[in-house]
Amino acid sequence: GQNIDQPTEMTATEGAIVQINCTYQTSGFNGLFWYQQHAGEAPTFLSYNVLDGLEEKGRFSSFLSRSKGYSYLLLKELQMKDSASYLCAVEDYGQNFVFGPGTRLSVLP
Amino acid sequence: DSGVTQTPKHLITATGQRVTLRCSPRSGDLSVYWYQQSLDQGLQFLIQYYNGEERAKGNILERFSAQQFPDLHSELNLSSLELGDSALYFCASTSSGGASDTQYFGPGTRLTVL
Repeated sequence: GQNIDQPTEMTATEGAIVQINCTYQTSGFNGLFWYQQHAGEAPTFLSYNVLDGLEEKGRFSSFLSRSKGYSYLLLKELQMKDSASYLCAVEDYGQNFVFGPGTRLSVLP
Repeated sequence: DSGVTQTPKHLITATGQRVTLRCSPRSGDLSVYWYQQSLDQGLQFLIQYYNGEERAKGNILERFSAQQFPDLHSELNLSSLELGDSALYFCASTSSGGASDTQYFGPGTRLTVL
């Protein structure tokens, strides 16, 4: 079956670094996506990984290990505005997108 | 502002009714995706269209249908509505519908079924 796991909630301090993990079991793999979603708003795209390794984009980085079915999103120099839900999603071979439950991150001053 | 528009913003209706949600993609984008987000199930992919043709199907119920028109706007039709259909419905668009394309989400339509 299709399954994506993420921690439900995380808390971190402003200025710190936080790592949000995602593990997946899907029928095929065409790529892994991370989205940020503030409460009541639409998701916004953060990153896309299709090959193993680290993709860096400013304060955000995303890592993928296909053999382990594992990804993480790394957020550096946390800001209060980073308080949001972070969604991990996998596109399978049927071009179907499977989303994880999301991780609600709270950044404290 | 992502450039994707969705109407209406809010919709309140009764069980058994039928509604149509509308999405206009970003200028130049050919592909549209529909998603449902409810509190208990998270974000669920429903269906994708590319240049008027259905490209991928996710967890879309038989009571739901969609289409993409020649001007590339898309409509999601929900019929025989049930209480459990209450959710936020998002559409997203990409330029070519490829896996690596960034999906730009619209602001969503909040559907409440009473």
